[in-house]
Amino acid sequence: AQSVTQLGSHVSVSEGALVLLRCNYSSSVPPYLFWYVQYPNQGLQLLLKYTTGATLVKGINGFEAEFKKSETSFHLTKPSAHMSDAAEYFCAVSESGGSYIPTFGRGTSLIVHP
Amino acid sequence: DADVTQTPRNRITKTGKRIMLECSQTKGHDRMYWYRQDPGLGLRLIYYSFDVKDINKGEISDGYSVSRQAQAKFSLSLESAIPNQTALYFCATSSFSGTDTQYFGPGTRLTVL
Repeated sequence: AQSVTQLGSHVSVSEGALVLLRCNYSSSVPPYLFWYVQYPNQGLQLLLKYTTGATLVKGINGFEAEFKKSETSFHLTKPSAHMSDAAEYFCAVSESGGSYIPTFGRGTSLIVHP
Repeated sequence: DADVTQTPRNRITKTGKRIMLECSQTKGHDRMYWYRQDPGLGLRLIYYSFDVKDINKGEISDGYSVSRQAQAKFSLSLESAIPNQTALYFCATSSFSGTDTQYFGPGTRLTVL
């Protein structure tokens, strides 16, 4: 069975500081991993995803994530936070060879201070 | 126009009332999903449909039912609404591939008094 743990329900950073949102997963088969972002009063939209190949994945708005199999992690980073990055971020996992129904983490709210 | 639309966007109702939330998509995807979002609990899957004739329960289907009227339409019903069904509801679509992105609607905020 697959599962996702996002460490920290809230992360607060200053504008210009590094953003690090943590995601650990559990999967019995090679996983597909996703980060979605939810801006206020909107639905979720894809930031980036890992399927196969290069383990460092670049997404929209300067975000990237690295798949580390040995650590079962897929942490999301951005070198310099912007006020517009304030949102809810969700990590999700689906399993290759299965029904491909993703399991979502509980979300991390990113707060950006001026 | 948005790829995934949901109606209504906001709804306030009373305990015991029947409520239907509707979802339409123009992505041409076979798979459609209904999720519920509660603060601190993330997204939880209510029902999903792989095609018009294939509907499956998710982790929290009790108190809900669905109908897949066409490839593009998937509706969620609360037969007798109760206050703990107050939440934000999202419809999503995807293609068959597990590597594919899910595309979400804007959500319906439902309040049950």
